Order: sequence, then C-alpha cells, then structure tokens
Amino acid sequence: AAGVIQSPRHLIKEKRETATLKCYPIPRHDTVYWYQQGPGQDPQFLISFYEKMQSDKGSIPDRFSAQQFSDYHSELNMSSLELGDSALYFCASSQRGGRGTEAFFGQGTRLTVV
Amino acid sequence: GQQVMQIPQYQHVQEGEDFTTYCNSSTTLSNIQWYKQRPGGHPVFLIQLVKSGEVKKQKRLTFQFGEAKKNSSLHITATQTTDVGTYFCAASGSARQLTFGSGTQLTVLP
Repeated sequence: AAGVIQSPRHLIKEKRETATLKCYPIPRHDTVYWYQQGPGQDPQFLISFYEKMQSDKGSIPDRFSAQQFSDYHSELNMSSLELGDSALYFCASSQRGGRGTEAFFGQGTRLTVV
Repeated sequence: GQQVMQIPQYQHVQEGEDFTTYCNSSTTLSNIQWYKQRPGGHPVFLIQLVKSGEVKKQKRLTFQFGEAKKNSSLHITATQTTDVGTYFCAASGSARQLTFGSGTQLTVLP
C-alpha cells in the first residue's frame, strides 16, 4: 500500500540558507500535517491543511511557510535557517477531515543546519 | 490545542516483565490515540480510544481510556525486545492537529 512520501530524506544546510521539504500524502487523504521533532523530543505540531486549505497552526516560526498544491502534495519552506532548526521533520496525512482519525507518518526529513 | 502529560519518561525493563505508560490531561479529551516510534523511525499508529472507560487489546498490549476521558494507559504484558521504542499518546480534540505527549522511551533488556 502507498505510504506518505517525504523528500529529501536528509538535508544539510548552512545558517541563513533556505530549505524546502516535500510531502506526498497517501492518495485520497484530505488532511496533511507537518511536525518537527528534536532529539529526544516529542513531535511538535507545526501546521495542517485540509482539502488544500490551511487548517490549524501550531508552533511554526514566521520564517517557515507551507502550502498544499492542487495535486495534494505539500511543501514546507524554511528560510533564514538557524542551528536550532536542526531536527526531524515529519509529514503525516489522514482522511475524513483529520479529526479523530489515524495519522499516517512519512519517514521524515532529517535537516541539519551547520 | 490539548495538553497531555505522559509518564514515565524512561522505562527500563527486563525481557518478560510488564510495562505501563500513563497519559494525563487537565481537560476532557474527545479521543486519545497511541503511537509507537522505533529508534530512528517514524510514529506508527497503534490504536484510538473514543469511549469513556474503553478498554482495547492488541495481543500483549492493553489500552485503557479513563471514565472521565482525562487519562489513558498502555500496558504491555511480558515485554519482548521487539517492544523497544518510544510510546506516545496523542490527542486530537476539535482541531486538525495531534498533540503528542512527551513519550515514554522503553528499553527492554534481554
């Protein structure tokens, strides 16, 4: 069965650079989430989309933005990168509006800022 | 979003021993989900509890939702080395987001 696909799997950037993370949700899933997970931390909710519209925002810095495209894939754009942005970034998708439904996570993108 | 506290943060058990992790919220939860994350992996959905007092079992795993829907627990009987990982509870509430607990990192010693 198709799973959530994230690319790239690993990314190394320098401070103040920009990064773009991509997510391809499971087909027919209508909700996409982005999470940030630091070492030894729980996943922190960044932002979600429902039917390609932004739905909820969490602790997403102003330097970050995200969007969902007509083909349902989503991108997380990160600018002016800081050392503290180094983390695992997960995308997840779910169906039936994403409320009280199972979330399927991608393998994650490990971002290292040097 | 919902705030969920999870204890303990770490648990080391000998293979064959039981393990329990607890999740608590100060507010009533509409539902609670449990996820497992293996080292280096991504969170994988285990189960969702919706009803007050609900108990669900998956082989050696038993999940409970409190009567007041403010707490939940995951109990593993006779742990195996394959149970190693971090177990997270997560609450969704009315928003399209999952708020994760801090997780319990389980180590099983052979």
